[in-house]
Amino acid sequence: GEDVEQSLFLSVREGDSSVINCTYTDSSSTYLYWYKQEPGAGLQLLTYIFSNMDMKQDQRLTVLLNKKDKHLSLRIADTQTGDSAIYFCADAYSGAGSYQLTFGKGTKLSVIP
Amino acid sequence: DVKVTQSSRYLVKRTGEKVFLECVQDMDHENMFWYRQDPGLGLRLIYFSYDVKMKEKGDIPEGYSVSREKKERFSLILESASTNQTSMYLCASSNPRTANYGYTFGSGTRLTVV
Repeated sequence: GEDVEQSLFLSVREGDSSVINCTYTDSSSTYLYWYKQEPGAGLQLLTYIFSNMDMKQDQRLTVLLNKKDKHLSLRIADTQTGDSAIYFCADAYSGAGSYQLTFGKGTKLSVIP
Repeated sequence: DVKVTQSSRYLVKRTGEKVFLECVQDMDHENMFWYRQDPGLGLRLIYFSYDVKMKEKGDIPEGYSVSREKKERFSLILESASTNQTSMYLCASSNPRTANYGYTFGSGTRLTVV
């Protein structure tokens, strides 16, 4: 079945870059997503990338996709304390005229002032 | 601003009580989902629904049921709450024809069963 893996913890210093990695197993994934969850809140869509793209940049966020290795990464430049959160990787797979997302377990990013 | 609204942020219930968690979306989405989130386990899918009056079991449906009488509302029911159902519950919705938007999540309900 579907599987999305990511490391559980990452700690960086304020001002450094953060890189959160994710691997997935489904070669037919169409879209891949990064969600952010702040403490006590729901998940918020940060960004997504279509599977035929290699890279997507959005202000401080850079998403890299290596489709051959089924590897997705999220880079946050100039990491701030407000970036402390859990980041979820997810991929979309289609079936029966609809699609569903499979989520990784989430990477907790801690930013040290 | 599009929204998924969960009726309670925090809830404390006693063991054996029947518990209703309500979720309402205003985006006219066909698909709705209930997850529970526990530390180290990530999101686990309890039930989902593709349409009114339709429901499908997710990965951990035991001890739960759902109701979808109207398109905008998806209710999660704990028939007889137990302490191992203490968790964060997240509702989500999606438009099945526009995958680039992914799921939209509610703010979550933190349920404590004592």
